[in-house]
Amino acid sequence: EPEVTQTPSHQVTQMGQEVILRCVPISNHLYFYWYRQILGQKVEFLVSFYNNEISEKSEIFDDQFSVERPDGSNFTLKIRSTKLEDSAMYFCASSVGGGAGELFFGEGSRLTVL
Amino acid sequence: GENVGLHLPTLSVQEGDNSIINCAYSNSASDYFIWYKQESGKGPQFIIDIRSNMDKRQGQRVTVLLNKTVKHLSLQIAATQPGDSAVYFCAENSPGTYKYIFGTGTRLKVLA
Repeated sequence: EPEVTQTPSHQVTQMGQEVILRCVPISNHLYFYWYRQILGQKVEFLVSFYNNEISEKSEIFDDQFSVERPDGSNFTLKIRSTKLEDSAMYFCASSVGGGAGELFFGEGSRLTVL
Repeated sequence: GENVGLHLPTLSVQEGDNSIINCAYSNSASDYFIWYKQESGKGPQFIIDIRSNMDKRQGQRVTVLLNKTVKHLSLQIAATQPGDSAVYFCAENSPGTYKYIFGTGTRLKVLA
């Protein structure tokens, strides 16, 4: 069964460092997303991406965040200068269509900022 | 996803009993809803979905009920099994938006 894969599964970084989280969405999907889950809190939407551009972003997704689809398979989330409060589980998801429709999630990348 | 320390409502049920997990959603304009299951250390897994033009939808051992009047969703799991132990989230989507808003989640514990 096709699945969304994410790397790394866990990354530890120092505050102020740049981090890149990588995702390979399901191959025939056209919409890609990043969500995060801070320990003890809900799953929160960060950004959606379609046709090589951001289609929607939340207020959390400020200038320190960026997304990119550098080639035909990878979808990345970059955090430019990490803060302690960026520590969370980051989930990539993909879907065939945008809006209403099943989202397929990856297993997540745990980011720990020290 | 790691839910250690997450102060969630917890539902404990005996193996073989039916479970009912509830969710109050936030936006009266939401027209599509998904129930997700999240086991420890894993990403959310799709269980069942429902559109707002329906009030009930059944899957294998699961049923989702939607009450738009009071903005309430429920997930019923028949003959609950140990493998059903997880955190369950509802998620809503509104027209014209790509994002899903997740509820706070309910931890289901199945007692042998």
